Amino acid sequence: DAKTTQPPSMDCAEGRAANLPCNHSTISGNEYVYWYRQIHSQGPQYIIHGLKNNETNEMASLIITEDRKSSTLILPHATLRDTAVYYCIVRKLQGGSEKLVFGKGTKLTVNP
Amino acid sequence: EAGVVQSPRYKIIEKKQPVAFWCNPISGHNTLYWYRQNLGQGPELLIRYENEEAVDDSQLPKDRFSAERLKGVDSTLKIQPAELGDSAVYLCASSLSVVSGTIKAFFGQGTRLTVV
Repeated sequence: DAKTTQPPSMDCAEGRAANLPCNHSTISGNEYVYWYRQIHSQGPQYIIHGLKNNETNEMASLIITEDRKSSTLILPHATLRDTAVYYCIVRKLQGGSEKLVFGKGTKLTVNP
Repeated sequence: EAGVVQSPRYKIIEKKQPVAFWCNPISGHNTLYWYRQNLGQGPELLIRYENEEAVDDSQLPKDRFSAERLKGVDSTLKIQPAELGDSAVYLCASSLSVVSGTIKAFFGQGTRLTVV
């Protein structure tokens, strides 16, 4: 699976959009981008995933660049409860390693 | 619907003692994972089951760790004997079979193990 690079930490003001970047320059054509988050003392929680097109759900939006070498997770109106570690993961749809490989993620702190 | 249930939530044991963790996955989920998470790090996969078969246990320290998933539902992870370095959070996750496509894994709250 392609390796990902994320900033170790970010801050965001409550009510503002949080934009979390992820670099995956070695991604191949059949690899998906996944985002999970982990709130303190809880297990990771699935947020969103995508292949080529931008995706949106009730939690967040995922913007993938045209060359697919990087992506951004957007929390449109961050709340204090969005404070968590956010993990960007890249994996193949089929074949390859059928598991989620977590890095260290980005610790997002939403400030009042 | 209940999520992934793990027990116990916390466990403190002395080194060289045995310990076991239990996981009940989401109903209908064929795939079950055990992860270990050290402080300040992301989770690392220990073992993955497809139904009752362990299909990836390459990261499981087999000298002291064992796991089973009887009848392809509940699973237990055991450490015997425990060492100080085993102190970590042990996470269980489940998902529909990966052959169906994307992985949308659901995690339990984890068991925090402290070995003293």
